[in-house]
Amino acid sequence: QKEVEQNSGPLSVPEGAIASLNCTYSDRGSQSFFWYRQYSGKSPELIMFIYSNGDKEDGRFTAQLNKASQYVSLLIRDSQPSDSATYLCAVSGAGSYQLTFGKGTKLSVIP
Amino acid sequence: DAGITQSPRHKVTETGTPVTLRCHQTENHRYMYWYRQDPGHGLRLIHYSYGVKDTDKGEVSDGYSVSRSKTEDFLLTLESATSSQTSVYFCAIRTSGTDGELFFGEGSRLTVL
Repeated sequence: QKEVEQNSGPLSVPEGAIASLNCTYSDRGSQSFFWYRQYSGKSPELIMFIYSNGDKEDGRFTAQLNKASQYVSLLIRDSQPSDSATYLCAVSGAGSYQLTFGKGTKLSVIP
Repeated sequence: DAGITQSPRHKVTETGTPVTLRCHQTENHRYMYWYRQDPGHGLRLIHYSYGVKDTDKGEVSDGYSVSRSKTEDFLLTLESATSSQTSVYFCAIRTSGTDGELFFGEGSRLTVL
């Protein structure tokens, strides 16, 4: 069974700080990695995807992938109260139709 | 907006009754998915489809069936609903092959009494 693990939190950070969200996965053949944000009562929305080792930046968000360590992270710089949500990590294997999700980390940004 | 519509958005039913949830897409994507989301379990895949009449099971498929007779519609059926199937159900489409991201519908909240 492919597993994706996330710290459930809640993770609390002050406004303006860097929030660091982490995810590990069990399938070494995984090739596609996604971060979703989900506000309470809403559907998940895609924030970032990453396929290659290293960092990928998009505005205040940076995704980091280390396939050797089977680890993917999401950094949120200059955190805002509007970033308060649950963040879901998702992983897909090579040629796989399926995405496996972690249980999510709840982030609270304190004004 | 990925053009995904789920219906009904809310439903309350009784144990033992059949329930069908509908997912409709307007953009002709090949891959469609049904997930359920429960506290403490996150999003879990029920069934998915990779084309008309082509479907396969996910990790929590027991008690559920699906059908896809047209590209745009993917139906999830609970033949005889149980209280353990009380959940929020999300339909999703995958935009490009096996590397693309998922886009989700707004969800259907099902309560089985």
